[in-house]
Amino acid sequence: QKEVEQNSGPLSVPEGAIASLNCTYSDRGSQSFFWYRQYSGKSPELIMFIYSNGDKEDGRFTAQLNKASQYVSLLIRDSQPSDSATYLCAVNGEGTNAGKSTFGDGTTLTVKP
Amino acid sequence: GAVVSQHPSRVICKSGTSVKIECRSLDFQATTMFWYRQFPKQSLMLMATSNEGSKATYEQGVEKDKFLINHASLTLSTLTVTSAHPEDSSFYICSAERGFGQYFGPGTRLTVL
Repeated sequence: QKEVEQNSGPLSVPEGAIASLNCTYSDRGSQSFFWYRQYSGKSPELIMFIYSNGDKEDGRFTAQLNKASQYVSLLIRDSQPSDSATYLCAVNGEGTNAGKSTFGDGTTLTVKP
Repeated sequence: GAVVSQHPSRVICKSGTSVKIECRSLDFQATTMFWYRQFPKQSLMLMATSNEGSKATYEQGVEKDKFLINHASLTLSTLTVTSAHPEDSSFYICSAERGFGQYFGPGTRLTVL
């Protein structure tokens, strides 16, 4: 079992729809959770981080964390073609592993005009 | 946001030569930097964790004598691919940790002929 699992996709949604990206993790001691966006041929960029159970909203993006279920998700409202990219879920551990992220394989999202 | 630069962005070299890649944090001090490799259509693979003033910590399966990492200051880490071979051709990306996620450099595309 991978430490961080994501639906590989591809996920395709029409413009204006809500895109839902899911991620599960195996280490119950994980403390912080991140979503990165990576356009083809480019390096990842941080778009959201969340530490506490519940929802965190930033513009059109909402991250949701449920530590009991070891589940973190990213919702993108009013999806735009420019949101088409691969989204990477990353999980940090605790203690000496607090700064080191374990990445999922990513979910490729396509937003169709 | 935080800016991390990488140089060079692209390098083509002959088999057997060594290539040095620089990673700089431009507007903050980075005690810890990470080096990743990414093959086409695949996820990020962490190669090593670079700590300022101490030896790098390499992931399992990464040859420390082949991928030399030096983190001489709080703003600069270098990765040297020694005696490069065609199988080392990949996208090399560095990142700097800043407490709320990692900030990635733009990446270096290495092609070994």
